[in-house]
Amino acid sequence: EAAVTQSPRNKVAVTGGKVTLSCNQTNNHNNMYWYRQDTGHGLRLIHYSYGAGSTEKGDIPDGYKASRPSQENFSLILELATPSQTSVYFCASGDAVFFGKGTRLTVV
Amino acid sequence: GEKVEQHESTLSVREGDSAVINCTYTDTASSYFPWYKQEAGKSLHFVIDIRSNVDRKQSQRLIVLLDKKAKRFSLHITATQPEDSAIYFCAASMEGQGGSAKLIFGEGTKLTVSS
Repeated sequence: EAAVTQSPRNKVAVTGGKVTLSCNQTNNHNNMYWYRQDTGHGLRLIHYSYGAGSTEKGDIPDGYKASRPSQENFSLILELATPSQTSVYFCASGDAVFFGKGTRLTVV
Repeated sequence: GEKVEQHESTLSVREGDSAVINCTYTDTASSYFPWYKQEAGKSLHFVIDIRSNVDRKQSQRLIVLLDKKAKRFSLHITATQPEDSAIYFCAASMEGQGGSAKLIFGEGTKLTVSS
């Protein structure tokens, strides 16, 4: 089964600080995704990628950047973290969308 | 853009009964409809999917129905068991650049199976 690994699993950040969430997949999938999950909103797509060097805006990209330096790695970057970005973030890969275990981010 | 609505936010059934979760979508171009299960405190994992070239698919106790005219699809769980208790998410894909799929999710249905 596809392995999608997220790090860190938990993060507390200060408002205005920079946060980088990392994702690694080992199944050579072209597509990778970053979602956030909030109560009442389900999963919302932030950014996605079709392959190395590609990043595309999802439905809620404001305040986030993404980077896909290689087939295996896809990062989500919060340049200036805000409390509204407190959430659980999921990385996923592949056409059937295999999910990582999630990162719980708290911005204080 | 595509919107996916999941009609039941919560659903309670007794063990052995069937559970049905309904979703609707807005974009007629959507062609792929997967379902995911999320147990408490855990990540999502894929359970079953259906593509627009068929209107029914079954995998053991899971049945997915697709009605393209009504833009509606549903997950039927038969002979429910307590371990079926979880949040279930439906999703729909819009084909994007290069044929890649951008999945849009519903808000989730919390299913509780009581014994």
